[in-house]
Amino acid sequence: DQQVKQNSPSLSVQEGRISILNCDYTNSMFDYFLWYKKYPAEGPTFLISISSIKDKNEDGRFTVFLNKSAKHLSLHIVPSQPGDSAVYFCAASAVADRGSTLGRLYFGRGTQLTVWP
Amino acid sequence: GAVVSQHPSWVICKSGTSVKIECRSLDFQATTMFWYRQFPKQSLMLMATSNEGSKATYEQGVEKDKFLINHASLTLSTLTVTSAHPEDSSFYICSASQGADTQYFGPGTRLTVL
Repeated sequence: DQQVKQNSPSLSVQEGRISILNCDYTNSMFDYFLWYKKYPAEGPTFLISISSIKDKNEDGRFTVFLNKSAKHLSLHIVPSQPGDSAVYFCAASAVADRGSTLGRLYFGRGTQLTVWP
Repeated sequence: GAVVSQHPSWVICKSGTSVKIECRSLDFQATTMFWYRQFPKQSLMLMATSNEGSKATYEQGVEKDKFLINHASLTLSTLTVTSAHPEDSSFYICSASQGADTQYFGPGTRLTVL
């Protein structure tokens, strides 16, 4: 049962334009959301996170938006650069998991972003 | 900050042998470490959660006797794949957290069982 869904397996964007990666979740207990970037044969790299008490968090070229009522979050990358080409994973955790598995993350299947010159 | 290392980065072994993978948090103390497995073009699959000094919590379907996890200190966790078989070939990734919500991942270990 996929509780975090990334319905677009791939996205292709021209350099300099905005990349928008989407993520949906089903578990209303999720209260912390993260985006990771992953290159082939490497571990994921943390990009940005957002708590459920916020609806927006910005860090440089990366902005994450959270719409709790729609159970939807998105990652905006502006401007997109060729070095941003990677697989982006959305992840979520629930306060209910903190006591037992202490921050267990639920991952989406990832979106392959390709930024072309 | 928040650097996590894994060793080895890749390993090839014969079927039936055991392989140990180390995960270290280099610049912070990790109260919790997680072990994941990733199949090609698929998401990360959580195998187990380990807390320093206690037994690991395994996800459903993961054989705890086959995938032995030890979290002996706040900076080191090990995953031992016992009696490895070709179907255990995969990319194994660990992550570590300080009890906060952000997990920091290691670079991964590519295991190939012949």
